[in-house]
Amino acid sequence: QQQVKQSPQSLIVQKGGISIINCAYENTAFDYFPWYQQFPGKGPALLIAIRPDVSEKKEGRFTISFNKSAKQFSLHIMDSQPGDSATYFCAAWNSGGYQKVTFGIGTKLQVIP
Amino acid sequence: ETGVTQTPRHLVMGMTNKKSLKCEQHLGHNAMYWYKQSAKKPLELMFVYSLEERVENNSVPSRFSPECPNSSHLFLHLHTLQPEDSALYLCASSHARSGSYNEQFFGPGTRLTVL
Repeated sequence: QQQVKQSPQSLIVQKGGISIINCAYENTAFDYFPWYQQFPGKGPALLIAIRPDVSEKKEGRFTISFNKSAKQFSLHIMDSQPGDSATYFCAAWNSGGYQKVTFGIGTKLQVIP
Repeated sequence: ETGVTQTPRHLVMGMTNKKSLKCEQHLGHNAMYWYKQSAKKPLELMFVYSLEERVENNSVPSRFSPECPNSSHLFLHLHTLQPEDSALYLCASSHARSGSYNEQFFGPGTRLTVL
């Protein structure tokens, strides 16, 4: 049972375009939503995160949009660059669930010149 | 060495072999994790250790046996594995502050192939 559903599984975007990755969750007990970025041969690394009382968070070219009523959140990468080519994971965490983080299936992003 | 290191980076083993994966963190954290990463599946949390005590064991088969001798080292002992256990095994570490999200720092993983 996939508690955090992520789509698409793969994405090809031209350089300078906008990359959009969507996630949805069911468990309303989740209260923190991090995104991780993983390059080939490396482990995932925290990219950006948001709490459900905020509708949007922006860090540089990366923006999370959060819709609490729809239980959906998304990552937007503006002005996508070839160096952004990586696998992106959305995740969710419940403060009552100790350190257990629930991850999405991942989206492999390729930015082509 | 900085961050989280894992050895070996690649491992090929037969189903009857015994091997161990090693993880070491240099971040002063006191929680450590083992994850399994398979293609087209979410990251699967296998084990969590906090202050060297196992606090999570997600119904992992007994052919995987973790060991955490101190807060800086974590091992995963492997015995009689199956081909479906082939995957990337990731180690992570974090602080263990309760009630707040503790960012997990991942190692590069061990690519395991079971023949």
